[in-house]
Amino acid sequence: DAKTTQPPSMDCAEGRAANLPCNHSTISGNEYVYWYRQIHSQGPQYIIHGLKNNETNEMASLIITEDRKSSTLILPHATLRDTAVYYCIVRGRITGNQFYFGTGTSLTVIP
Amino acid sequence: EAQVTQNPRYLITVTGKKLTVTCSQNMNHEYMSWYRQDPGLGLRQIYYSMNVEVTDKGDVPEGYKVSRKEKRNFPLILESPSPNQTSLYFCASSSSSGRTTDTQYFGPGTRLTVL
Repeated sequence: DAKTTQPPSMDCAEGRAANLPCNHSTISGNEYVYWYRQIHSQGPQYIIHGLKNNETNEMASLIITEDRKSSTLILPHATLRDTAVYYCIVRGRITGNQFYFGTGTSLTVIP
Repeated sequence: EAQVTQNPRYLITVTGKKLTVTCSQNMNHEYMSWYRQDPGLGLRQIYYSMNVEVTDKGDVPEGYKVSRKEKRNFPLILESPSPNQTSLYFCASSSSSGRTTDTQYFGPGTRLTVL
């Protein structure tokens, strides 16, 4: 099943764009890429998802490479409240019902 | 308000004393799941359920049981807790069996300590 690799931590200046990378080189053709975030020890919160086209919503943008082996989550104007752990996830290959969260990227937004 | 609730939020217990962590959702979701979160290991899926009476193992099912007798409830049972089950537990639900793009909604978490 496809797993993901993310840098363990990143910093971003407040007001600047935060670009969080994710590698998912073993992703299969019908698997979606999801992004969640977790603030402190709260339950993870959904951000965005995509298959192969770039996606944008009110929270973020998702850029998926053409070969789908990697993606980038973009927070266009990071605020202090965006400080959190960000998880990149792909669906389970066989059933689509398993989720592999990994350890995520701890983003710190600096004033 | 649409939500996933878990009880208790905090629990300290002793080795071998059976316990149940309840999870309930009010969104009529088919899919429910349990995760544990440990430092350095991230979130790992314990069990999931695609619908009533349908459950399946996740990555770390050992030492846990679940049941899905009603659509809204998905309790996590530790028959004989051990200290290595000390963790932060999350329940989640989504409106499909997982084959579509529906997202998961998470509960607030249950912090369990087994002495």
